Amino acid sequence: DAGITQSPRHKVTETGTPVTLRCHQTENHRYMYWYRQDPGHGLRLIHYSYGVKDTDKGEVSDGYSVSRSKTEDFLLTLESATSSQTSVYFCASGWGGDTNEQFFGPGTRLTVL
Amino acid sequence: QKEVEQDPGPLSVPEGAIVSLNCTYSNSAFQYFMWYRQYSRKGPELLMYTYSSGNKEDGRFTAQVDKSSKYISLFIRDSQPSDSATYLCAMSAPRTGRRALTFGSGTRLQVQP
Repeated sequence: DAGITQSPRHKVTETGTPVTLRCHQTENHRYMYWYRQDPGHGLRLIHYSYGVKDTDKGEVSDGYSVSRSKTEDFLLTLESATSSQTSVYFCASGWGGDTNEQFFGPGTRLTVL
Repeated sequence: QKEVEQDPGPLSVPEGAIVSLNCTYSNSAFQYFMWYRQYSRKGPELLMYTYSSGNKEDGRFTAQVDKSSKYISLFIRDSQPSDSATYLCAMSAPRTGRRALTFGSGTRLQVQP
């Protein structure tokens, strides 16, 4: 998986609790991304980062925040988890550029009860 | 209407068959086209990418782009049971400034031994 790890791999939490998912890459990629994958919707971008402390919203960013304090780490926080945020979350990283090839981590399966 | 359409399958073929997987798209700004393979409960893995129209071959895999028809294909020759996975097409539109890849929802392929 191109040196990208995610933690935790599985999490069950309750509605209203904050949750933080972690992504770590060893490729020195400038860009990092958080996607969610849901049946019938494919992969949808939540937030991305184009450098340390530089982030921007994707198409489904409501209820999520991110932080990137180091090149290799990108955190996704669900401020107050809801059942609609039950999903599989994938982190990806890449060099950017026109091709925008992205390399994905193994995913985190999150269940919000 | 989704920007990228992909038949979800499942597509079931016997071992050794030639497999054709396809996506159609509506946004003429897409310039780079990628295929990812995703095994069950794993992250997507980049198989190959192509730029603009034409063919690209890598081993048993051939990617084909027809920009005039807004249609891309992935052909798998001599399919193997290990090819059983979900195949996602993805597209990049660098001139729009969009950082996200736009994904199809995936086609599930089953290769029967």
